Amino acid sequence: DGGITQSPKYLFRKEGQNVTLSCEQNLNHDAMYWYRQDPGQGLRLIYYSQIVNDFQKGDIAEGYSVSREKKESFPLTVTSAQKNPTAFYLCASGTGNQPQHFGDGTRLSIL
Amino acid sequence: AQSVAQPEDQVNVAEGNPLTVKCTYSVSGNPYLFWYVQYPNRGLQFLLKYITGDNLVKGSYGFEAEFNKSQTSFHLKKPSALVSDSALYFCAVRPNNAGNMLTFGGGTRLMVKP
Repeated sequence: DGGITQSPKYLFRKEGQNVTLSCEQNLNHDAMYWYRQDPGQGLRLIYYSQIVNDFQKGDIAEGYSVSREKKESFPLTVTSAQKNPTAFYLCASGTGNQPQHFGDGTRLSIL
Repeated sequence: AQSVAQPEDQVNVAEGNPLTVKCTYSVSGNPYLFWYVQYPNRGLQFLLKYITGDNLVKGSYGFEAEFNKSQTSFHLKKPSALVSDSALYFCAVRPNNAGNMLTFGGGTRLMVKP
């Protein structure tokens, strides 16, 4: 089945540590997105990539970094500069006029 | 810039009663409009979309939405609510020249009581 796989499902970060969240899609979608969701809140766009080897900052990019070396993969690194990283992180992909497809998220907490 | 408003943080409805979850939008040009549902600790699932054509759009799980251009609204509806419909619902908009980017509303929690 085609879809988006996010791993791990749960992740814990120690202070000063960088952590990387994985997002892989086999839908052959050109565009990929990272969103942050805080409890009871909507989605805020962190980074997006419309094509391989290119990406743009979203609304809340500070403290995060991404890469897009392959069409299928769009990993997100939460750096130590992100002082409030506890949230639910959602990855999505899309193409053309079709709806974005979402993974099942990674929940990041602070140790 | 485009925006989406979901004026109700929570909607409560009894099982078997009709439900409406409201959404209004602001976008230049003709909008593409979407509804998604999110269950606890899961990603968003696509319910339905409006691109062009009939103003009443039918989607998954018996949901439908009515596009009203004059009121810039795209309310989600279901004739008879189920307890299993309890979830978080998001409306999203995209200008028709914005590729695949979406702007999401803040979400509405639907609680269906037995």
